[in-house]
Amino acid sequence: ELKVEQNPLFLSMQEGKNYTIYCNYSTTSDRLYWYRQDPGKSLESLFVLLSNGAVKQEGRLMASLDTKARLSTLHITAAVHDLSATYFCAVLPNAGGTSYGKLTFGQGTILTVHP
Amino acid sequence: EAQVTQNPRYLITVTGKKLTVTCSQNMNHEYMSWYRQDPGLGLRQIYYSMNVEVTDKGDVPEGYKVSRKEKRNFPLILESPSPNQTSLYFCASSPIAGGRNTQYFGPGTRLTVL
Repeated sequence: ELKVEQNPLFLSMQEGKNYTIYCNYSTTSDRLYWYRQDPGKSLESLFVLLSNGAVKQEGRLMASLDTKARLSTLHITAAVHDLSATYFCAVLPNAGGTSYGKLTFGQGTILTVHP
Repeated sequence: EAQVTQNPRYLITVTGKKLTVTCSQNMNHEYMSWYRQDPGLGLRQIYYSMNVEVTDKGDVPEGYKVSRKEKRNFPLILESPSPNQTSLYFCASSPIAGGRNTQYFGPGTRLTVL
C-alpha cells in the first residue's frame, strides 16, 4: 500500500523567511502533484512533477522531485501572508500496476505566515 | 466555463437514510474520483473511475457505492449512512489518470450524519 507522508504538518513562518515542506512516499512513482487549499475552499492545482529531477516554479513556490529518494520538496522563498493555506502532495503509482488510478494524498501542511 | 459541480453542497441526514451526492463535469474527462477529507487525515480516495463503466476502489470504499453510466456523471451513494461518514467530500476529474493531467476538484459537499 502506498503511503505518503508530509512534514512538517504545521508551519508558522514570518514574512520574508524561507522554508521547505517535505513529501516522502513509499513506492516507485514518477507522478507527483502539489495542491493548495484555502480555508473553507476546494483544492487548487499547483505543480505536476513527472520525472526524476523535475523542478517547477511559480512565484515564491518551487517544487522538485527526486524519484530515487522518493522525495518531493516544496520550497517557499520570502514568504508573504497570501501564501497562508494548507498544502498537499499526492502520488500516483507508476503505469502498469493494478492501482494505476489510485491517488494517495499526504496529510497536508498547514502554513501560516505572520507579519 | 469548465467545472466540476457537486450537489448538494451541505447535507444533514440521519443514520440509515440512503443518500446520493451527485458529481458532474463538463470537460469530457475520462477520469473521475471521490475523496473524503477529515481533519488530520488529509484526503483519502473512496472510489475512482478510469472511464465509463470502469470503477475501482480507493483506500476507503467501505459503506460507499458509485456508478459511471455516462462520462460526465459520477454519483456517490451511501446506502445506509453512519455517523463515521460525517465528512467533507470532494469529487474530482482529469482528462486521463496521471501524466500532465492534474485533477480539477469540485467545491465539496459537507455531510453530517446524525
